[in-house]
Amino acid sequence: DAKTTQPPSMDCAEGRAANLPCNHSTISGNEYVYWYRQIHSQGPQYIIHGLKNNETNEMASLIITEDRKSSTLILPHATLRDTAVYYCIVRVAMNQGGKLIFGQGTELSVKP
Amino acid sequence: NAGVTQTPKFQVLKTGQSMTLQCAQDMNHNSMYWYRQDPGMGLRLIYYSASEGTTDKGEVPNGYNVSRLNKREFSLRLESAAPSQTSVYFCASSVLAAYNEQFFGPGTRLTVL
Repeated sequence: DAKTTQPPSMDCAEGRAANLPCNHSTISGNEYVYWYRQIHSQGPQYIIHGLKNNETNEMASLIITEDRKSSTLILPHATLRDTAVYYCIVRVAMNQGGKLIFGQGTELSVKP
Repeated sequence: NAGVTQTPKFQVLKTGQSMTLQCAQDMNHNSMYWYRQDPGMGLRLIYYSASEGTTDKGEVPNGYNVSRLNKREFSLRLESAAPSQTSVYFCASSVLAAYNEQFFGPGTRLTVL
């Protein structure tokens, strides 16, 4: 699995867009970018994933650069409930073992 | 659907005691996982079960055993608890082991004195 680098913490004002970056410069062609988040004391929650095209679902949007070496998770209208640690994980889509490697992630604080 | 449920929510053990953490899912998923999370750290995989009847070691299996009781249930046993096993334990499930979309339970907070 390719290594990812995320800022340790970020702040965002409530109602504004939260843009969380992730660098994955060693990503290979068959690896996807996955995002999870963990709200304090709860189990991680899957958010979104993508290969090379931008993706959007009801929770967030994922923008992957053309060279695929970095990506940005966008929460379009952050709320206080979005305060959490966000994990960027790079992994092949179909694999054996299902072992997700959670790094340190980005601690997002949404402030009123 | 309850999703993934775990019992107990909290547990305090003395060194050397044993206990079993229970996990159940009602999503008809084939694969189940046990992770631990230590303070300020990411999750680490202890054991997983790709399908009913199979189990495999993850990153940190020492000191633990697992049982895939049926398709719904996957238990984690500590035979002789040690203070180093103080952690939050999360169970997760996925449709298949090959899929990276995993659904997590609420966790069990274990303290070993």
